Amino acid sequence: QVQLQESGPGLVKPSQTLSLTCSVSGGSISRGNYYWSWIRQPAGKGLEWIGRIYPSGSTNYNPSLKSRVSISTDTSKNQFSLDLASVTAADTAVYYCATLELELRAFDCWGQGTLVTVSS
Amino acid sequence: QSVLTQPPSASGTPGQRVTISCSGSSSNIRFNPVNWYQQLPGTAPKVLIYNNNQRPSGVPDRFSGAKSGTSASLAISGLQSEDEADYYCSAWDDSLNAWVFGGGTMLTVL
Repeated sequence: QVQLQESGPGLVKPSQTLSLTCSVSGGSISRGNYYWSWIRQPAGKGLEWIGRIYPSGSTNYNPSLKSRVSISTDTSKNQFSLDLASVTAADTAVYYCATLELELRAFDCWGQGTLVTVSS
Repeated sequence: QSVLTQPPSASGTPGQRVTISCSGSSSNIRFNPVNWYQQLPGTAPKVLIYNNNQRPSGVPDRFSGAKSGTSASLAISGLQSEDEADYYCSAWDDSLNAWVFGGGTMLTVL
């Protein structure tokens, strides 16, 4: 069973770039029947899908964030990363990394989540 | 405002059956499978139902899902105190080319 763990700064200043990494254990990030996503949840609110990356490197992003988001993989470290540029207080949230198994077509494995606060 | 619409809250007493609705559109629920996630307080979401009505191994058969047209529902029978959680529906949206979620339903076991 794959396990995911998010890491990165818990505090980011407005206008800067939020950068998070998801470390994958128990399976290769290169395996073909999965893709890797970031999902966030502001305090007391619902879930928002940020984007996904396939093992091939192909990406899709939420249209509402597309101009500011980049997701990438580092196969040598079995990790994938999120960069969100020009952050504001509205980007304060718990950020989850998650994996979707293509046959299930559901996010079947999630990290524990990491709180990122945008504040000066 | 979420693309999929859920009631913000639901409640029931132990042993009762509760249903949570999820309303979408032709660009998401009508032609794509619906998933349901359970989020216990302070934890990450967990998939409860996938592909409209399939349960991952380990999920009790008290939980069931259904879909009709542009709406879906999650039913929980034999309600237990440990079912108290937030529940989210989700589907792929072909117009947005993105996964969309409902706003979540907070289930209270009275």
